[in-house]
Amino acid sequence: EPEVTQTPSHQVTQMGQEVILRCVPISNHLYFYWYRQILGQKVEFLVSFYNNEISEKSEIFDDQFSVERPDGSNFTLKIRSTKLEDSAMYFCASRPTSGVYNEQFFGPGTRLTVL
Amino acid sequence: GENVEQHPSTLSVQEGDSAVIKCTYSDSASNYFPWYKQELGKRPQLIIDIRSNVGEKKDQRIAVTLNKTAKHFSLHITETQPEDSAVYFCATRLISNFGNEKLTFGTGTRLTIIP
Repeated sequence: EPEVTQTPSHQVTQMGQEVILRCVPISNHLYFYWYRQILGQKVEFLVSFYNNEISEKSEIFDDQFSVERPDGSNFTLKIRSTKLEDSAMYFCASRPTSGVYNEQFFGPGTRLTVL
Repeated sequence: GENVEQHPSTLSVQEGDSAVIKCTYSDSASNYFPWYKQELGKRPQLIIDIRSNVGEKKDQRIAVTLNKTAKHFSLHITETQPEDSAVYFCATRLISNFGNEKLTFGTGTRLTIIP
């Protein structure tokens, strides 16, 4: 069964450094999402992406964040200048078509640790 | 914006007993209510969902009920087994002005099944 994949599984970086988190959504999916989960807390929406542009973003998704679909398969989240509070698990998700009740499929996550 | 509250935050039940987790939400526009199971260090996985035009849905040992008037929905697990131990998240889906939708998650319930 197709799955969303993410790389790396764990990223350690110094505060102020840029990081790029990579996701490969399921191939026939059209909607893409990033969520984050701070350790022990709930999953929080960051951004949704459709037709090569951001559909919606949360207040967490400030100017330090950007997303890109550089080719037909990858979907990336960039954090320009990481802060300690960016340490979290970042989940990518994708969803097929515009069907109202279609499920969002989550990737395994990238654990980002900012030192 | 949407606010989802989930109770209890932790729940321990004897193997074979039933477990009930409850969620309330604030936005009456929400029309899709999934439940996710997250094992330690793993991705959230959809276990059951319910649409706004349905009051109850069952899948083997798992059932979900929805009361749209009261804006609450519940997850019921019967005949619990050790492998049911995990964190469970409820979520709602809100259709945004951009025609895309995001998931808003509850705070999670850590369910422990005692053998």
